[in-house]
Amino acid sequence: KQEVTQIPAALSVPEGENLVLNCSFTDSAIYNLQWFRQDPGKGLTSLLLIQSSQREQTSGRLNASLDKSSGRSTLYIAASQPGDSATYLCAVRPGIGNTGKLIFGQGTTLQVKP
Amino acid sequence: DTGVSQDPRHKITKRGQNVTFRCDPISEHNRLYWYRQTLGQGPEFLTYFQNEAQLEKSRLLSDRFSAERPKGSFSTLEIQRTEQGDSAMYLCASSFEGNSPLHFGNGTRLTVT
Repeated sequence: KQEVTQIPAALSVPEGENLVLNCSFTDSAIYNLQWFRQDPGKGLTSLLLIQSSQREQTSGRLNASLDKSSGRSTLYIAASQPGDSATYLCAVRPGIGNTGKLIFGQGTTLQVKP
Repeated sequence: DTGVSQDPRHKITKRGQNVTFRCDPISEHNRLYWYRQTLGQGPEFLTYFQNEAQLEKSRLLSDRFSAERPKGSFSTLEIQRTEQGDSAMYLCASSFEGNSPLHFGNGTRLTVT
């Protein structure tokens, strides 16, 4: 059974710092991994999608990497800003079946202090 | 493309009442998903439609829950005889077939008193 873990559960950094959020999964048979952002009381906003054949994806100040064999992904945020404060969720699409459903981690809540 | 739309945003109901939520996916997407999220947790998969066919249901989806997607467009999720444990955020998502990203709506927050 696929399980996704995100560590740490919460993180507080001063503005301007570069930071890394971690995601690990137990079964390396995945189609893809997706990172989301969630603001309090809101839905999820897709940030980056990495296919199983890819090693990383970049969008602006965000860079996500994937090491499928070790069951790990990282989300790197450069030059953090207070507006980056949110919960960041990673989710994997299992490689068995073709439903497209995602298995989520519990999220890392990030606070960037001005 | 106005994104995934969910209605209502908030619902407060008394235990034992029935509630129904609606989701309008992105119009070109043929896949539609329902998830449930409780405070401090990641979303949990409930059910999935491809067009009008409900192809998978989680064991979390008790017989008090039913979902439909008539004509493969919007979807409804009904909870009968609500319990306090049903209090959660109910999220809808849609996607194309294949290895494409899921797009989520803003959710419906249910509070059962």
